[in-house]
Formats: sequence, structure tokens, C-alpha cells
Amino acid sequence: KAGVTQTPRYLIKTRGQQVTLSCSPISGHRSVSWYQQTPGQGLQFLFEYFSETQRNKGNFPGRFSGRQFSNSRSEMNVSTLELGDSALYLCASSFGASMNTEAFFGQGTRLTVV
Amino acid sequence: TQLLEQSPQFLSIQEGENLTVYCNSSSVFSSLQWYRQEPGEGPVLLVTVVTGGEVKKLKRLTFQFGDARKDSSLHITAAQPGDTGLYLCAGERPQLIWGAGTKLIIKP
Repeated sequence: KAGVTQTPRYLIKTRGQQVTLSCSPISGHRSVSWYQQTPGQGLQFLFEYFSETQRNKGNFPGRFSGRQFSNSRSEMNVSTLELGDSALYLCASSFGASMNTEAFFGQGTRLTVV
Repeated sequence: TQLLEQSPQFLSIQEGENLTVYCNSSSVFSSLQWYRQEPGEGPVLLVTVVTGGEVKKLKRLTFQFGDARKDSSLHITAAQPGDTGLYLCAGERPQLIWGAGTKLIIKP
């Protein structure tokens, strides 16, 4: 079965712009989590959605937002981009309601802010 | 401040050598997961340890969960170039808390 699909793979934006990233989870998975990965900070949890509801949120400013659709696909949006937002954004899907079930990751979206 | 400290951050060794990666915290976790991430890919789950003192083996990889469920280690025996990658540990609290990773390079 198809894995987690993230689009686009690469993105270059300028400061002040906004960006929307997309994640299609594995069929049947209802939980989608988003992470920011940078060399210095590692994986930082952004938020998690389960059945269209945000269930957990990490410690990121309000410029970072997300949503999940009825088909479990998820989007995250970053407004007023800053240079420090340059990172690999990873999406992970899992089947169960518990967050400790195995997470399947997409290949990520590499965002560069210039 | 990282809740989960991984060490070393970077390790480059010759093929055939043994190595150990550590994941330490002052907090107790319900379970701990180990992932490996290769360049251009997302992390892939290797193992989940749940019980204090638990040891799991995956071919040449041995994972151990500390008795107090605050720390874990990953030992690789006779490392091979295919083991190269970023190794990440993640503790459940209940959301996953991630370590910064250990970048491992195995030279042929």
C-alpha cells in the first residue's frame, strides 16, 4: 500500500510570505502528526490531528497552524515566514488513537526561506 | 532544553567495529522508540521498548531500556556501511519526545 506522501518535496520562499504544506497519510490511518527537523534542534513536534481534531500541540508560535480533512489528509500553514523557519517538515501518520503506535513518516518537505 | 539527550551526536567508525548510542533523560517514559533516518527520507521505526530492563535484538542491533525507564541504549555489533544514518530515540509521555539524534557513519 502507498506510504505517506508529502508535497511539495522542496520549496523556496522569501521572508514574510506564507506557505502551505500537504500530507496524505497511509490509507486507513486517522492520526497525522507534523514535525520540524533542523540540524541543531532535531525533531520538534508541531501538532497532531486525529479525526479532524487537533489533539496535541507543540510549543510553536501561532504562525504555525494546521488542519485535517475528512479523508485524513492534512495541511500545515506557516504565515509571515522567517529565516529560522527553514527546515525539513515531516509528516507522520499512524493508525491508532494512541500516540505511541508506530509512526510512518513521509519523505518531508524541505523549506528554505531566503 | 532537550528532555531526551542522545550521545554521541556524531560517530564515524570503521566497518566491523562495535558501537553504542545512548539516550538519557531525567524523566520516566511509558515506552521508548528507536528510529533510523537516511538522507532524503523520513525516520523509520526500528523497535519499541516498553518494560524496564527490556532487551530487544534486531540482527546485529541490541536495544535496552533502563530499569527505571529513563534511559535506553542501542548497541551495534560489527557495524556495516549499510548501518550509516541518523539514529533517533523518542520517548512516550504520552506524546513522543524526540532526541536530537546520533549521526552514524560507517566507513568501508
